[in-house]
Amino acid sequence: EAQVTQNPRYLITVTGKKLTVTCSQNMNHEYMSWYRQDPGLGLRQIYYSMNVEVTDKGDVPEGYKVSRKEKRNFPLILESPSPNQTSLYFCASSGRGERYGYTFGSGTRLTVV
Amino acid sequence: ILNVEQSPQSLHVQEGDSTNFTCSFPSSNFYALHWYRWETAKSPEALFVMTLNGDEKKKGRISATLNTKEGYSYLYIKGSQPEDSATYLCAHSNYQLIWGAGTKLIIKP
Repeated sequence: EAQVTQNPRYLITVTGKKLTVTCSQNMNHEYMSWYRQDPGLGLRQIYYSMNVEVTDKGDVPEGYKVSRKEKRNFPLILESPSPNQTSLYFCASSGRGERYGYTFGSGTRLTVV
Repeated sequence: ILNVEQSPQSLHVQEGDSTNFTCSFPSSNFYALHWYRWETAKSPEALFVMTLNGDEKKKGRISATLNTKEGYSYLYIKGSQPEDSATYLCAHSNYQLIWGAGTKLIIKP
């Protein structure tokens, strides 16, 4: 089944404790992206990647890191999480060109206390 | 319009009625317009990707139209059913996807 697998689904952590949210797709998609969704706001892009070893900042990159060492994986790293990073996170992937719809992962609800 | 705007923010519709809502986007440098359905506790699911002015797409009871010259798209739902209850997101693409905040649709039985 074609899918984007995101883990974990839920995570509660403490301020400053490094964490990684994993994202993997099995569709051989070139394009991958991370979003956060907060109440009353649309999806906001954190980072995106056009292909292996090619990443770039989205609208709200501060406090996040990503890597794209393999085509299928695009982990999101929070080196020192803070409470303002409490949010719902989605990973998404797409085929070449943005004329293709995005496939989203199931989301990660992160709480930083 | 610099951002993608969706209206209304929320909508209550009687089961069986038809409804529609709007997505407004910058008309310059248009590349594609996406519509997604986002059900509670699930992830957004692509409905349509529209690229040409005058484009019309249909999937069952849901259809969408596109006017790139004036910068708007309409999503229509015919004969609303309870399973249509969701937030409908649109996103405009000229280089990156810019997302609207969504229209939350609630179908009343």
